[in-house]
Amino acid sequence: QQQVKQSPQSLIVQKGGISIINCAYENTAFDYFPWYQQFPGKGPALLIAIRPDVSEKKEGRFTISFNKSAKQFSLHIMDSQPGDSATYFCAASKSYGQNFVFGPGTRLSVLP
Amino acid sequence: KAGVTQTPRYLIKTRGQQVTLSCSPISGHRSVSWYQQTPGQGLQFLFEYFSETQRNKGNFPGRFSGRQFSNSRSEMNVSTLELGDSALYLCASSLVGRDMETQYFGPGTRLLVL
Repeated sequence: QQQVKQSPQSLIVQKGGISIINCAYENTAFDYFPWYQQFPGKGPALLIAIRPDVSEKKEGRFTISFNKSAKQFSLHIMDSQPGDSATYFCAASKSYGQNFVFGPGTRLSVLP
Repeated sequence: KAGVTQTPRYLIKTRGQQVTLSCSPISGHRSVSWYQQTPGQGLQFLFEYFSETQRNKGNFPGRFSGRQFSNSRSEMNVSTLELGDSALYLCASSLVGRDMETQYFGPGTRLLVL
């Protein structure tokens, strides 16, 4: 019940295309869902986050879509760029805590 | 503002030894969390400290311990090292550790156990 599933494991997208990464969770107590971006040799960096009271949140080229009934959420990267090539992690946590449960990660490669 | 710093960046130890890793959070941040990152298990939460008290704990054996000092700096200790402890250990800090706060990660300490 603590798991967060993430797919695909790896993703190759052409420059300008849309990258879509999906996550699913079981624990209905989770109510905060961040996405992190990690470049090689660096720690993860917060990209965008959402609470279940909204179905979508957009920040620049990055959008989170949230489906509370299906317990699924996804990250869409519009107009993907080679600089977006990184590993992306979805995560979940319960209120008032930051002991995040992370998905296994998606390695995104954006081809020039 | 300086980011989260972790020392050392790289460490090689042998089985049975113990190791201490250090984390300095962003100035003013009082919550420090530790994570283990491995290719097989991904990112796993170890523990979180706030105001020198362990507030949350993940599912790791007692060989993994930590502490936080009055200046919010934190240390993590692993005793009786096993080969499977080889991993990237990440520290993250936030203001007070509320769920919506941005958690800033350090670059990690890469530990290799031989």
